[in-house]
Amino acid sequence: EVQLVESGGGLVQPGESLRLSCAASGFSFNEHFMDWVRQAPGKGLDWVGLSKNRGASYTTHYAASVRGRFTVSRDDSKNSLYLQMNSLKTEDTAVYYCRVWILGRVSWGQGTLVTVSS
Amino acid sequence: DIVMTQSPDSLAVSLGERATINCKSSQSVLDSSNINNHLAWYQQKAGQPPKLLIYWASTRESGVPDRFSGSGSGTDFALTISSLQAEDVAVYYCQQYFTTPYSFGQGTQLEIK
Repeated sequence: EVQLVESGGGLVQPGESLRLSCAASGFSFNEHFMDWVRQAPGKGLDWVGLSKNRGASYTTHYAASVRGRFTVSRDDSKNSLYLQMNSLKTEDTAVYYCRVWILGRVSWGQGTLVTVSS
Repeated sequence: DIVMTQSPDSLAVSLGERATINCKSSQSVLDSSNINNHLAWYQQKAGQPPKLLIYWASTRESGVPDRFSGSGSGTDFALTISSLQAEDVAVYYCQQYFTTPYSFGQGTQLEIK
């Protein structure tokens, strides 16, 4: 069974940094694309960024709103996905979800809350 | 970037009646090499993460009741609930995964009339 567990969320001030982690199990981590999606309080779903697999040279892609500030990375040896968030803004406040794509199907983690406030 | 537009924004349907949510993409999400539409539908209930209902536009996820079905191709898609149940009250989202950024529709709130 696919399991994704996010961690690392919390309260930070504008301009600060935070690193989210996603621990994966139940599938061959290195074979699949993984991404991050966020949801601001009371709002819709917002795609953040993608890490492709080794076969696709671990290429990453980002939403325009986070490009240059956020970095998606992965450690296949630890079955883990990361989201490094720098220069955080109040509008980055959201629940951040980790996902895995397996043959067109996507599985979601439970999410971790990031609050950016002074 | 591909823009996904859902209609309506909210929908109230009587128990046992049909509910249809539409999703339109600004560009085709059909992969002509394998005839797959890169379109997914999710259900999100209050306080929960989204749940995958449909992928490849019309393939029902394991465990999803057969009253849920997806249809469409190219740029126009629909999610249909054939006979609405009380537990179907939720927000529904479509998403394209044809090209990055993997954009979502704005969501449709489904309620009981």
